[in-house]
Amino acid sequence: GENVEQHPSTLSVQEGDSAVIKCTYSDSASNYFPWYKQELGKGPQLIIDIRSNVGEKKDQRIAVTLNKTAKHFSLHITETQPEDSAVYFCAASKTRTGGFKTIFGAGTRLFVKA
Amino acid sequence: GAVVSQHPSRVICKSGTSVKIECRSLDFQATTMFWYRQFPKKSLMLMATSNEGSKATYEQGVEKDKFLINHASLTLSTLTVTSAHPEDSSFYICSARASKLAPVEQFFGPGTRLTVL
Repeated sequence: GENVEQHPSTLSVQEGDSAVIKCTYSDSASNYFPWYKQELGKGPQLIIDIRSNVGEKKDQRIAVTLNKTAKHFSLHITETQPEDSAVYFCAASKTRTGGFKTIFGAGTRLFVKA
Repeated sequence: GAVVSQHPSRVICKSGTSVKIECRSLDFQATTMFWYRQFPKKSLMLMATSNEGSKATYEQGVEKDKFLINHASLTLSTLTVTSAHPEDSSFYICSARASKLAPVEQFFGPGTRLTVL
């Protein structure tokens, strides 16, 4: 069935270091890959997304790469700051009958130590 | 960016009562709204998808008579948990999209924490 695997489940880095979170998806029909940041007690916030016709996208300290052949995509955060600490979810979306469906990864809890 | 609000943010109710949660898109018309359930330290589980003016599509295993969804306008969807029980306690999150099909952004509300005593 449709599945998105996300690794690692927990990631601890020192302030200023880079953090990388990786996801793989099973459905080759997926064509939109958003990343969300969720802080405690709040809803997820979209931080960056990539479409299937693009291999890489960057927005300041955040970048996402997509390898359609291997069906995996990654989130890269450079120069991490304590306020980057949160849970990050990757997702894979595709069009289906009646609309659009998004499957989420299990999440990565990122701790940035000052 | 687009803003989605949810009300209430927290609700505590007695077992057997019904609870209604509202989800509103504040600055765009949401042709599609989604309702998710999230358990502590877990990912988001899609419960149902609702397109404005039509019946909601429920995911497998989600009881449509238990979780009533109404998407009466392009800016409002409601989720009613009927005859709530303690196992319904959870964090419920809605999201909204401005298109049914194209891969456009999905904006999430802040969530509603439901506690059933």
